Amino acid sequence: ETGVTQSPTHLIKTRGQQVTLRCSSQSGHNTVSWYQQALGQGPQFIFQYYREEENGRGNFPPRFSGLQFPNYSSELNVNALELDDSALYLCASSLGRYNSPLHFGNGTRLTVT
Amino acid sequence: DQQVKQNSPSLSVQEGRISILNCDYTNSMFDYFLWYKKYPAEGPTFLISISSIKDKNEDGRFTVFLNKSAKHLSLHIVPSQPGDSAVYFCAAVGDSGGGADGLTFGKGTHLIIQP
Repeated sequence: ETGVTQSPTHLIKTRGQQVTLRCSSQSGHNTVSWYQQALGQGPQFIFQYYREEENGRGNFPPRFSGLQFPNYSSELNVNALELDDSALYLCASSLGRYNSPLHFGNGTRLTVT
Repeated sequence: DQQVKQNSPSLSVQEGRISILNCDYTNSMFDYFLWYKKYPAEGPTFLISISSIKDKNEDGRFTVFLNKSAKHLSLHIVPSQPGDSAVYFCAAVGDSGGGADGLTFGKGTHLIIQP
């Protein structure tokens, strides 16, 4: 059973640029969620995709967008990067939309300078 | 406004003794609670969960207790082992009916098991 994999592991971008982070779900999982974890904080929910559609969103602006593909892999796109976007971005997959334990990847560490 | 609070940033426990990690929540819509464990440079790993219809759930050395009236839950680890040293996150979710709400996490408690 293949777990959740994320790429790249580390990334440095400049303020104002755009970034795309990628995630492969655990085999058999049809739901993917993205979380942002700032230093010293718990993960914060960005959004969730189920069957290629966004079906839940946290308190993040529209410049955070995503995609889920037919093979359940996913992308997180962030436009017009700000310094406060520097964080660990975690992808998680699950079977079903509600009350299913999330299986997290190891994250992508994004630094915005 | 933090809806899930873990008031102890760190906790040190001797190997073999009981570790008790605490979590408080404010949102009465939460109906499912989870604990995750995180090692450095790894993503969080699911540990144990509890539904609001229960007050206790046990899995091996791990037991979670839920006190709905106090809006409080705790994770007990008995006996504590060196491999339990990690950051533990409490998380909660409730179905508001408007789509997936995602998990709300606390800030975590760093558990250190002393030999």
